[in-house]
Order: sequence, then C-alpha cells, then structure tokens
Amino acid sequence: DAKTTQPPSMDCAEGRAANLPCNHSTISGNEYVYWYRQIHSQGPQYIIHGLKNNETNEMASLIITEDRKSSTLILPHATLRDTAVYYCIVRALSNTGNQFYFGTGTSLTVIP
Amino acid sequence: NAGVMQNPRHLVRRRGQEARLRCSPMKGHSHVYWYRQLPEEGLKFMVYLQKENIIDESGMPKERFSAEFPKEGPSILRIQQVVRGDSAAYFCASSTATGGAIGTEAFFGQGTRLTVV
Repeated sequence: DAKTTQPPSMDCAEGRAANLPCNHSTISGNEYVYWYRQIHSQGPQYIIHGLKNNETNEMASLIITEDRKSSTLILPHATLRDTAVYYCIVRALSNTGNQFYFGTGTSLTVIP
Repeated sequence: NAGVMQNPRHLVRRRGQEARLRCSPMKGHSHVYWYRQLPEEGLKFMVYLQKENIIDESGMPKERFSAEFPKEGPSILRIQQVVRGDSAAYFCASSTATGGAIGTEAFFGQGTRLTVV
C-alpha cells in the first residue's frame, strides 16, 4: 500500500514555481522518496529521488524535511507541458522486494 | 539506449480469449515490474520479476494471470480467459539491481491498452 498523502489537485501559473507537497509520516530509515509523473495516460516518467539530503537535477528539486516525514517537489519554472499527475512514492531498497507503490497523486494543472 | 519497449500498444480480445503482453526491459536491466491502471485510477502493482524468478507476485490476481521473465527474451504477462474487467492499461518498468547505497530508479514503458469486448 502507498505510504504517502498528497493533495488531489493543484494549479500553477505558467512560468512560476510549482511546489508539490507530500506527507510520509511513517517512512522508515532505509526508505527513499521517489517522484514520478504521468502525462495523459502515458507511461510514468521518473523525476527525482532522495533519501535524506535535498536533491536537484535538470527537471526538479526535492526538499526533504529533517525528520523525513514530508517532502516537496519543486518545478522551478512550470510550463504547460508539466501538466500531469505527480506521484510521490516511498520505496525501500532490499533484495526481496523493492516495488513502487503508487498512491493517488496530485493532478497539477499549469495555467497559461 | 532504447527505453522500455512494450508491445502491442493496443490489444483487443474477446471475452474468453488469452492476452499476451510483452515487455523488453532497457539494456542492462534485469528487474521487471508490471502494473495495471484501470480507467481514471492509479497504478496498481502486480508483480516483480528478476531473470527467471518471480520475486513478489502479491499484486497478481489469484487466477488467470501469470508472468514470466525468461533468461532470453522479453517478460510476458499472460491473462487467460479475459473478462471485461481486465480492460486496462498495463505498464511495465525495468531497473538495474536493487540495494546498495544509491537508489535505483525504474523506467516505464508506454503501456499496453487492453480492451476486452
């Protein structure tokens, strides 16, 4: 089962930063936070992941609180093509089971 | 490096027929995951496989569904005696080895849309 809670929907003005929150209050010490997005029923697209430290790549930044109970995905300059459902996933890495459990996600709409 | 390839992209089957969905992982990936997405719903985990082994099939329906990932060739998700409720998008993802200090991301294919008529 998904271990995350996200708002069902958000709007963001084009060109502004989109900040997508995620709560994962029961996260364990060895569990990573991953973000994926799904654009209009295409295959989910990997965005970013992290364990404790904040992470940044060419797509987004991931801010994880010190207690690791919540995180925020930041799209610095949202474009219309960023309209998608964004999934926050908590995933443990082990040799016996490391599957991704998707929750309901946040439907982000970027407004012109 | 080609991404995860799924075929067919669209599949129509009559009730009672068999559906075979294929997934070729990214080069160098030995782990495959299958997910199902019903219309207007999220992705539900079905099964996780490594080469020639099923690691976790806790999300697979108990009957009619099976999956394999042979030593050679693509991973196959097989649905026998399909029913209308099997109509969905089926996504496959692949990754490299698990564990280690660095988290490993999984990359998804574009899915197979199964329609049962």
